[in-house]
Order: sequence, then structure tokens, then C-alpha cells
Amino acid sequence: NAGVTQTPKFQVLKTGQSMTLQCAQDMNHNSMYWYRQDPGMGLRLIYYSASEGTTDKGEVPNGYNVSRLNKREFSLRLESAAPSQTSVYFCASHFGREYTGELFFGEGSRLTVL
Amino acid sequence: GENVEQHPSTLSVQEGDSAVIKCTYSDSASNYFPWYKQELGKGPQLIIDIRSNVGEKKDQRIAVTLNKTAKHFSLHITETQPEDSAVYFCAAGSYNTNAGKSTFGDGTTLTVKP
Repeated sequence: NAGVTQTPKFQVLKTGQSMTLQCAQDMNHNSMYWYRQDPGMGLRLIYYSASEGTTDKGEVPNGYNVSRLNKREFSLRLESAAPSQTSVYFCASHFGREYTGELFFGEGSRLTVL
Repeated sequence: GENVEQHPSTLSVQEGDSAVIKCTYSDSASNYFPWYKQELGKGPQLIIDIRSNVGEKKDQRIAVTLNKTAKHFSLHITETQPEDSAVYFCAAGSYNTNAGKSTFGDGTTLTVKP
């Protein structure tokens, strides 16, 4: 049982390049999330998908887009990367109906934008 | 929106001592307070949570207390061990909104010295 799997684990981009972070979960969870984590800061929500077919902005959505491809997969796209998007990105999932407990996180994707 | 403050940002203790991490929150509607542990290079993992209808919860060496009136909650780790060294995050959220929309604190780096 893999849980939440993120790819790639590391990526270096030049300013203006685009890329997509992939996330997949095998727990049949309804809700999926993308966070960014910057040094000395907590997790900030970028976008989330409460259920298949829906996506909504979180706290820091500017510069990002998402796609909920199916129930398992939720991708995060940077259309034109900027140095301010250098961060560690975490995908998470949750069962998603009324609150039942924990978020399950992937191991993170470390992105550097030069 | 919700604002969560977490203190201290770093904490160093000797093995066997106790460690306490405190968080305050601003939104009286918050009613779910999880704690996550993040080991180096890994994603956060839930270690304990508390709901607003409970004042204290224990799980072996860890406990969480909640003071709804003062809007603060704390994580207590007793008999600390080197493997407790990690970053700990508190969060505040609500049963009625999506779990992943909880607001996270900025984290506490706990170091347990052998």
C-alpha cells in the first residue's frame, strides 16, 4: 500500500519554464490537496479538490493551476516558474466526507527555480 | 480567517526530559486540533489529535491539552527519546469544512540530545 506518491522528488527549473508535479493516492480518498512549505513556515494550501471533478483555490494559488485527473490523481502545474516558487511541495489526501481524521501526505517534491 | 501561532520555534531537551509545544488559534469556530510530526525528508504524519469537546487526550508518551476559553492547545511529550527529534506542526480546523483547509502553525524543531 503506497499511500500518497509524488513525482518528481527533485526538480530544478529556470525562470519562465513550466512543469507539472504529479500526485497519486491509492486509499480511495475523495479529497486531495497541494501545499507548499517554505523554511520556518507552516504548510500553506495552494489548491484543493474536495471531490473528483471539483477544484478550489487555497491560500496561495497565484502562479499555479491544478487538474483532478480522476479520483486517484491530482496534478499541480507551474505555467511560468518564478524564483518565488522555490519551495517544497506536498500533496495530501483525506477521506473527505465529514471530518474523519488525518491527512495523509506524500514525501514532498523539492523545486528550485533559478 | 484562522490564525495559528506556535511556540517555541526551536526546542532542545535532554533525553528523558519532557517537551511542551504550545499553539494559539483565533477562530472560535475551530473545533479540531491535530498535531503532525515531520521527520527529515519526509511528509508530515499525524501523531495525535483532539476535538473541542475533549480537554485532554493521551497516547502513550504524548498528550494534547485544549483550553477553548483561552484558545490554546499544547503538545506534551514525556520521557523524550532521540527518535522524537523532528519538526512538529499544530493545526486548527473545523469538522464542517474540508479537513485539508486547516491552518497550520509554523512548526517547532525539537532536538533530543542523547
